[in-house]
Amino acid sequence: DSGVTQTPKHLITATGQRVTLRCSPRSGDLSVYWYQQSLDQGLQFLIQYYNGEERAKGNILERFSAQQFPDLHSELNLSSLELGDSALYFCASSVGLYTGELFFGEGSRLTVL
Amino acid sequence: AQTVTQSQPEMSVQEAETVTLSCTYDTSESDYYLFWYKQPPSRQMILVIRQEAYKQQNATENRFSVNFQKAAKSFSLKISDSQLGDAAMYFCAYRGPSMKTSYDKVIFGPGTSLSVIP
Repeated sequence: DSGVTQTPKHLITATGQRVTLRCSPRSGDLSVYWYQQSLDQGLQFLIQYYNGEERAKGNILERFSAQQFPDLHSELNLSSLELGDSALYFCASSVGLYTGELFFGEGSRLTVL
Repeated sequence: AQTVTQSQPEMSVQEAETVTLSCTYDTSESDYYLFWYKQPPSRQMILVIRQEAYKQQNATENRFSVNFQKAAKSFSLKISDSQLGDAAMYFCAYRGPSMKTSYDKVIFGPGTSLSVIP
């Protein structure tokens, strides 16, 4: 158990819909990262937050948005969903910036039909 | 820009044998971290081993060890006495600051799929 909690674990929805994925980092971790992993693909970095502020953006679509709340949990919002958005979405956390490993949640598997 | 390359998309090893997975990276920074993560069929991302760039000694974790060559920007993973449970996708990852942007860069390689043959 990494200590990072992601909900929901599985989600099936239709094209055009909107979903919210939630992540609770390990206790004490200030940094939260979101990654997308499509089938048989690597990890695509989406966005990073540190202590409530956005720190870095990857190839995140405009239809996607995220935020980190004062209690440090984070949400990734995916809207106007397309079939190609079907993927495993990982949240990871670390204590701070620049140092140490990332601890990953179990992921949220999104299926868009 | 920092990049991470894993030149072996797939590898296989006989059970109980040793296998080495390759990773190279590119950075102009001097202080950074390197990691190997394992992703079994369950898709969970599991940290296998970490290496701080300022440490000359290669990291080891039980049957897993690394060969860290800082000058060559190489970071290979050696798995000894391979077991069936080692079958997984292995990702090499780099973490370090970008002096130009102060970004906290965490970059993953494309992965190497390891099969273990009984």
